[in-house]
Amino acid sequence: EIVLTQSPATLSLSPGERATLSCRASQNVSSYLAWYQQKPGLAPRLLIYDASNGATDIPARFSGSGSGTDFTLTISSLEPEDFAVYYCQQRSSWPPLTFGGGTKVEIK
Amino acid sequence: QVQLQQWGAGLLKPSETLSLTCDVYGGSFSGYYWSWIRQPPGKGLEWIGEINHSGSTTYNPSLKSRVTISVDTSKNQFSLKVTSVTAADTAVYYCARGDIAAPGAPLDCWGQGTLVTVSS
Repeated sequence: EIVLTQSPATLSLSPGERATLSCRASQNVSSYLAWYQQKPGLAPRLLIYDASNGATDIPARFSGSGSGTDFTLTISSLEPEDFAVYYCQQRSSWPPLTFGGGTKVEIK
Repeated sequence: QVQLQQWGAGLLKPSETLSLTCDVYGGSFSGYYWSWIRQPPGKGLEWIGEINHSGSTTYNPSLKSRVTISVDTSKNQFSLKVTSVTAADTAVYYCARGDIAAPGAPLDCWGQGTLVTVSS
């Protein structure tokens, strides 16, 4: 099973600041890495797929990069609605499809 | 615009069978993986398994012995059953669609979630 480790667990930032979230895979997942945003009480929402492709209707301030085992989600300038939990997920080697433990982006 | 609407019992006793269904509205049923994912209260996401339109299934090995996912293409719906539930199965359960055509088949559409509580 491929383990995804996200860091940091919590990121405290102010609106307008840049957020950089990390996801590290225990094995090579090529570019088959997606990022999701989850707000309290709601289902996750797809942000990025194939490591760097933006999903439909996702604002340009969200970008993804990386390949192999190290990946990054960047939010260029935090908007108030961006404070949420973010998960990475791989489908390079499954079953099982696996998720990281999440990074919470909170208001400083 | 595809929508997933899920439904099923939210309160179970230990040893009972969890049963949830997800209706798919406004989109094609073929060409996608149809997944179930769960999230215990305050915790992360766990993939349970998936099925495609032809009925081929793949399960998380950690749950495989207790899980069945089925599909009814005539009704555009797919279902989840988990047998012999315990308190550890208490979670919000989500259905979701995986786009086979996209690299890595990302989960691009999700149901609203159903809280299932297992308690005696």
